[in-house]
Amino acid sequence: AQSVTQLGSHVSVSEGALVLLRCNYSSSVPPYLFWYVQYPNQGLQLLLKYTTGATLVKGINGFEAEFKKSETSFHLTKPSAHMSDAAEYFCAVSDPNFGNEKLTFGTGTRLTIIP
Amino acid sequence: KAGVTQTPRYLIKTRGQQVTLSCSPISGHRSVSWYQQTPGQGLQFLFEYFSETQRNKGNFPGRFSGRQFSNSRSEMNVSTLELGDSALYLCASSLFPGETQYFGPGTRLLVL
Repeated sequence: AQSVTQLGSHVSVSEGALVLLRCNYSSSVPPYLFWYVQYPNQGLQLLLKYTTGATLVKGINGFEAEFKKSETSFHLTKPSAHMSDAAEYFCAVSDPNFGNEKLTFGTGTRLTIIP
Repeated sequence: KAGVTQTPRYLIKTRGQQVTLSCSPISGHRSVSWYQQTPGQGLQFLFEYFSETQRNKGNFPGRFSGRQFSNSRSEMNVSTLELGDSALYLCASSLFPGETQYFGPGTRLLVL
């Protein structure tokens, strides 16, 4: 079965500093990978996704992630944090055994931005 | 294009009751998936529908069921509610199964 590990349930960075949220996955076959963001009392918004091709993926709001197969990682980064980035971030993988139809999520990382 | 809509947004029920949640997918999307989000268990897959057929089901008891209509709208039903069913229930739609899923705002269910 696939699994996703997000290191650090809480991350705090200063406004303007680099944001790095870590995600590692386990899968017997290359999965599709996703980052979603959840603001308080809202649903999940897709930030970016990796399916095939270029391993560096750019998303919305200045975020990007790099798929590293050798490290089974898909870390999310943003060069300069903004106050509006404060939210909870979820890494997810799709399950090829279910035709990529089922998403398996990590436990989430709550990002706090320090003014 | 309008996003995924879910109704109601908030719901309070008592133990033993049943509840029905509704999801309207993005126009043109034909696949609908449901997820449960709780502080303890996180985000867990419930089931997925396409062409009015359940394609996949997560590890939930039979009290959780769903259906999809010919217009791709979906409902999920939870019977004999338990306190542990209190959660945010998220619906996601995609063009077809396996395509990127887009989530609605969720229905927050509180069971007393």
